[in-house]
Amino acid sequence: GAVVSQHPSRVICKSGTSVKIECRSLDFQATTMFWYRQFPKKSLMLMATSNEGSKATYEQGVEKDKFLINHASLTLSTLTVTSAHPEDSSFYICSAREKASGRAYEQYFGPGTRLTVT
Amino acid sequence: QKEVEQDPGPLSVPEGAIVSLNCTYSNSAFQYFMWYRQYSRKGPELLMYTYSSGNKEDGRFTAQVDKSSKYISLFIRDSQPSDSATYLCAMSAYYGQNFVFGPGTRLSVLP
Repeated sequence: GAVVSQHPSRVICKSGTSVKIECRSLDFQATTMFWYRQFPKKSLMLMATSNEGSKATYEQGVEKDKFLINHASLTLSTLTVTSAHPEDSSFYICSAREKASGRAYEQYFGPGTRLTVT
Repeated sequence: QKEVEQDPGPLSVPEGAIVSLNCTYSNSAFQYFMWYRQYSRKGPELLMYTYSSGNKEDGRFTAQVDKSSKYISLFIRDSQPSDSATYLCAMSAYYGQNFVFGPGTRLSVLP
């Protein structure tokens, strides 16, 4: 089945620093990748959608200058949290939509990255 | 009214019980419906997907869609402790549209 990996799985950083999270589709080409944020016992909040080779589309209320998204290839997207603050601490999950026709409505999720900003 | 609503639970059932998880939605344009299972501190995994109305069965899981009532269900037969997780419904209106997720229902299956 389609596998999406994320790295790192857990990161602790100091306030004011930047953190990069990688999302990779391991065995398929992802037309589109999504970045979500999830607070404890809450559902997924879509942050942005990125298509390979183009700028990400951010959801309302998400600061594009703070959450930098790069989708450099059909298998890799990165989320960089710049000048992190404690309120950025959260569980960040990426997902990828497969390019193969007829299955593009399925999304495969990564295992998530737990970010803690101290 | 939220676009997709789901009873947050937690729902506790004994092992072997039949579990019914439900979502209601307000957008009549939705026609792709998915159920995801999420274990604690893990990413969601796709369980079932259906297009338009009807039923779909996969092992112990059955997904039902009633578009006239804007209501979808996931049934789990012979529930197991390993089914303990949060179940998220998700839906979209057309091919390629971003999903709208429900808030999730926490399920605990007690041995």
